Amino acid sequence: DAGVIQSPRHEVTEMGQEVTLRCKPISGHNSLFWYRQTMMRGLELLIYFNNNVPIDDSGMPEDRFSAKMPNASFSTLKIQPSEPRDSAVYFCASNSMGTGFLKTQYFGPGTRLLVL
Amino acid sequence: AQKITQTQPGMFVQEKEAVTLDCTYDTSDPSYGLFWYKQPSSGEMIFLIYQGSYDQQNATEGRYSLNFQKARKSANLVISASQLGDSAMYFCAMREPNSGNTPLVFGKGTRLSVIA
Repeated sequence: DAGVIQSPRHEVTEMGQEVTLRCKPISGHNSLFWYRQTMMRGLELLIYFNNNVPIDDSGMPEDRFSAKMPNASFSTLKIQPSEPRDSAVYFCASNSMGTGFLKTQYFGPGTRLLVL
Repeated sequence: AQKITQTQPGMFVQEKEAVTLDCTYDTSDPSYGLFWYKQPSSGEMIFLIYQGSYDQQNATEGRYSLNFQKARKSANLVISASQLGDSAMYFCAMREPNSGNTPLVFGKGTRLSVIA
């Protein structure tokens, strides 16, 4: 089975440009999470979806960030306009709902974003 | 207050020796899950091991074991017979309650270096 797929793997853009990050969760998983990793703040949750519905977006830094999950197999994280402080690695992760061990969260390879 | 505390920013271990990476957590929820992930220099997040709060026995996965001390709220990762390929960042994470539709909270990580 394919794991979580993210694209692009690397993105270099200039301040003020729009950036769109994409994620395809593991088939059959119905929870999807977006995390951001920086040296200063470590790994932090941005937003997560259950059954394509956003549940908690309190981690989204500001209105420049938005996320959608139009269907069970696709999600986007958009930054508009981008700023240098948005430079980070953005991870998408998924797991199936329910309790216990089988609900391990699997991560995509991440998108390394650099905003100049 | 931090939910997950990893007090060792960096650790060194001799090849073939065992090493313990510390993790303490803070929660009042009786249902929680504890996870360890490995992040090599390539950047991906690799799931290693899981411990549920109701599990009676300590989790083991190959050379990895989790020393779960519930009363002390600690979940230390033990790596036996260290290999050069174990050099990486290691993150402890918790989910509360322990269900698949709950995000993970991560510690700051411990960088492990294995010396030949």
